[in-house]
Amino acid sequence: EAGVVQSPRYKIIEKKQPVAFWCNPISGHNTLYWYRQNLGQGPELLIRYENEEAVDDSQLPKDRFSAERLKGVDSTLKIQPAELGDSAVYLCASSLDGYNEQFFGPGTRLTVL
Amino acid sequence: DAKTTQPPSMDCAEGRAANLPCNHSTISGNEYVYWYRQIHSQGPQYIIHGLKNNETNEMASLIITEDRKSSTLILPHATLRDTAVYYCIVRSYNNAGNMLTFGGGTRLMVKP
Repeated sequence: EAGVVQSPRYKIIEKKQPVAFWCNPISGHNTLYWYRQNLGQGPELLIRYENEEAVDDSQLPKDRFSAERLKGVDSTLKIQPAELGDSAVYLCASSLDGYNEQFFGPGTRLTVL
Repeated sequence: DAKTTQPPSMDCAEGRAANLPCNHSTISGNEYVYWYRQIHSQGPQYIIHGLKNNETNEMASLIITEDRKSSTLILPHATLRDTAVYYCIVRSYNNAGNMLTFGGGTRLMVKP
């Protein structure tokens, strides 16, 4: 069974530039999560989707961050414009539903210069 | 959400049991204890979870105290590949499902 796929694995951009991350969850998983992990810390939830609906986006900085999950499968997380403090690993996870174990992808390491 | 307290780091000799403690003194009656681990440059990996009873799977054992205020994750025969950050999480629910709130975790170093 294929795991959660994320791309790119690494991204280096200059501040004020836009950036997008892509996630393909495990087939059949209805719930999708985006986390941000700063260096030396645990992951922090940014947004959670149930199918195509964002059911928890309270931690998403909405002035510069946006996310979508068209057709309830793949998801994209965007930052525009990026700031130096956005440097982190962005993790995507999925689960069968909101009550089952979460399976994480390898993450995208973003460096903003 | 109930908070957890873990030692920041631990060492373990290869082949020996690794016992990772976690305190969760404010846990509620319907909250589960979850353990995840994160190997360097990878996403977190689910290990095990429990409510009241001790649990065992192919990866580890989870021992929860009777008052549920603390737990211990046991890796019975640690290998070098078990070197990772281990997160103890009390899983809470909001109206739409579960939340995982990660703390700082315990960095386990398995040494030859």
